[in-house]
Amino acid sequence: ETGVTQTPRHLVMGMTNKKSLKCEQHLGHNAMYWYKQSAKKPLELMFVYSLEERVENNSVPSRFSPECPNSSHLFLHLHTLQPEDSALYLCASSQDRGATNEKLFFGSGTQLSVL
Amino acid sequence: RKEVEQDPGPFNVPEGATVAFNCTYSNSASQSFFWYRQDCRKEPKLLMSVYSSGNEDGRFTAQLNRASQYISLLIRDSKLSDSATYLCVVNTLSNYQLIWGAGTKLIIKP
Repeated sequence: ETGVTQTPRHLVMGMTNKKSLKCEQHLGHNAMYWYKQSAKKPLELMFVYSLEERVENNSVPSRFSPECPNSSHLFLHLHTLQPEDSALYLCASSQDRGATNEKLFFGSGTQLSVL
Repeated sequence: RKEVEQDPGPFNVPEGATVAFNCTYSNSASQSFFWYRQDCRKEPKLLMSVYSSGNEDGRFTAQLNRASQYISLLIRDSKLSDSATYLCVVNTLSNYQLIWGAGTKLIIKP
């Protein structure tokens, strides 16, 4: 079983749809993240949860809504997205937020296309 | 100036050759540094941390130059399987945020 499991792998949605991305980590980590990766651009941090509490929200539009019901699960709820939101969305976890040698473990990502 | 900069490449290298690329960072207070590898349409995976004294893992050597504010990755005896995008990551610790480079694409040719 992989350390961080993310579903679905691919998602195509219209601008009026509502969908959710799911992430589960089996590593016993305390921090979980959502990143957006657009072609040829650096990873953009969207949300960070540490011990189930949101500690960072990098000015992400409200059409993206995270949920962290426990330290092992993370969701990203999507609604009324725009075509420019099409990207690879990556979930990640780390042992602790803010550690000097913080190392991230990523899920396989969701390739999202908004039509 | 970008906080973390990488040459996007691609670097086209024959199999068996040695290749090196750098990553520059702007924040002199940066504390920790990493190289991640990302295969096409896959997630990034940690390749190695970069320590002040430099570190080596098999064919891979990472070095840090604080004076000039860059880190480097050297790959010896390159394999076809080394083809990937290599992402540089810097941790400033000032706001506990990892700053990512856009990556350097490496293509190893037979």
